[in-house]
Amino acid sequence: NAGVTQTPKFRVLKTGQSMTLLCAQDMNHEYMYWYRQDPGMGLRLIHYSVGEGTTAKGEVPDGYNVSRLKKQNFLLGLESAAPSQTSVYFCASSRPTDSNQPQHFGDGTRLSIL
Amino acid sequence: QKEVEQDPGPLSVPEGAIVSLNCTYSNSAFQYFMWYRQYSRKGPELLMYTYSSGNKEDGRFTAQVDKSSKYISLFIRDSQPSDSATYLCASNAGGTSYGKLTFGQGTILTVHP
Repeated sequence: NAGVTQTPKFRVLKTGQSMTLLCAQDMNHEYMYWYRQDPGMGLRLIHYSVGEGTTAKGEVPDGYNVSRLKKQNFLLGLESAAPSQTSVYFCASSRPTDSNQPQHFGDGTRLSIL
Repeated sequence: QKEVEQDPGPLSVPEGAIVSLNCTYSNSAFQYFMWYRQYSRKGPELLMYTYSSGNKEDGRFTAQVDKSSKYISLFIRDSQPSDSATYLCASNAGGTSYGKLTFGQGTILTVHP
């Protein structure tokens, strides 16, 4: 059972570089989410998607873009990385819900921007 | 002010102790309340889920929600070293919120033998 798989697990970037974080889920979930986790801040929602081809902004979307071209994949892009984007990024997925379905999380991508 | 506030601790207790973890929230629209457990270098996993006010028990874990005071609690009985983790409370408004969760800051718990 792979569940939610995030690639890569670690990455170091220089300021201004771009990169894409990949999230893949094999549970046929409609909803997918990207969060960032910073010390003392908990998890904050960056962007989310309620289905293939649809995305929406979360609490902290600035500096990030996302795409959901396939139901099982949700990509998070940083066009011009900044040190403030150093964080641990988590992807999650869930079944369609008004709320009572658990979100299943990947194990995170640790990103450092120098 | 964050919509969900949680004391980050850290909290250190001896094995066998009763642990009390707490959160407060400010959004009256929140209806669903969860506790996630996160081990080091891992993603969060759902531990307990509660709808509206009331208690829910699962083994050594009890979740309580008091909507009148906007207070969320998790109790762990007979705590074990394997309970050492970060505990995150989360809330959701239901309806058309598409399952979006608002998390507290997380409480780091260490249970020492």
